[in-house]
Amino acid sequence: EAQVTQNPRYLITVTGKKLTVTCSQNMNHEYMSWYRQDPGLGLRQIYYSMNVEVTDKGDVPEGYKVSRKEKRNFPLILESPSPNQTSLYFCASRFGGGSGANVLTFGAGSRLTVL
Amino acid sequence: GQSLEQPSEVTAVEGAIVQINCTYQTSGFYGLSWYQQHDGGAPTFLSYNALDGLEETGRFSSFLSRSDSYGYLLLQELQMKDSASYFCAVRRSNDYKLSFGAGTTVTVRA
Repeated sequence: EAQVTQNPRYLITVTGKKLTVTCSQNMNHEYMSWYRQDPGLGLRQIYYSMNVEVTDKGDVPEGYKVSRKEKRNFPLILESPSPNQTSLYFCASRFGGGSGANVLTFGAGSRLTVL
Repeated sequence: GQSLEQPSEVTAVEGAIVQINCTYQTSGFYGLSWYQQHDGGAPTFLSYNALDGLEETGRFSSFLSRSDSYGYLLLQELQMKDSASYFCAVRRSNDYKLSFGAGTTVTVRA
């Protein structure tokens, strides 16, 4: 089944404790992206990657890091989480060009709480 | 910069028609998309307009007017399962970035 898989789905952590949210897709998509979703603010892009070893900041990159060492994986790293990073996080992927570039496939989401 | 405006909430009864408007201001425009998200779930793609006009997919249609920087999603023959949030998203430039609106919560009443 074509899908985007993120883990963990739920996480409660404390301020300053480094964590990684993994994201993997099995559709051979070039483009991957992370979004955070907060009430009333919609989906805001954190980082995106056009292909392996190519990443760029989205609209709200502060406090986050990403890497794209393999085409299928795009982990989101919070080096020192703070309470304002409590949010629902979505990983998404799509093809880099053609008509498929207009269709994002999202993971199920990761709900993160930072105490 | 860019901004997308859409209503925050819409309520309608089963069988009715709902139109969700989306206006945008963006530097560079390559298309308008719509996504549906049920409570607690992942957003799923509904439709995409790159050119002016109406795109129809079953009970849902999407419209775009590039000259007016405006589009809408039309939900016809509303069903209870259509209760969800709907997001418009603009593909801003040829780097394929997508920016989302804040979402419209549609509540369908019996």
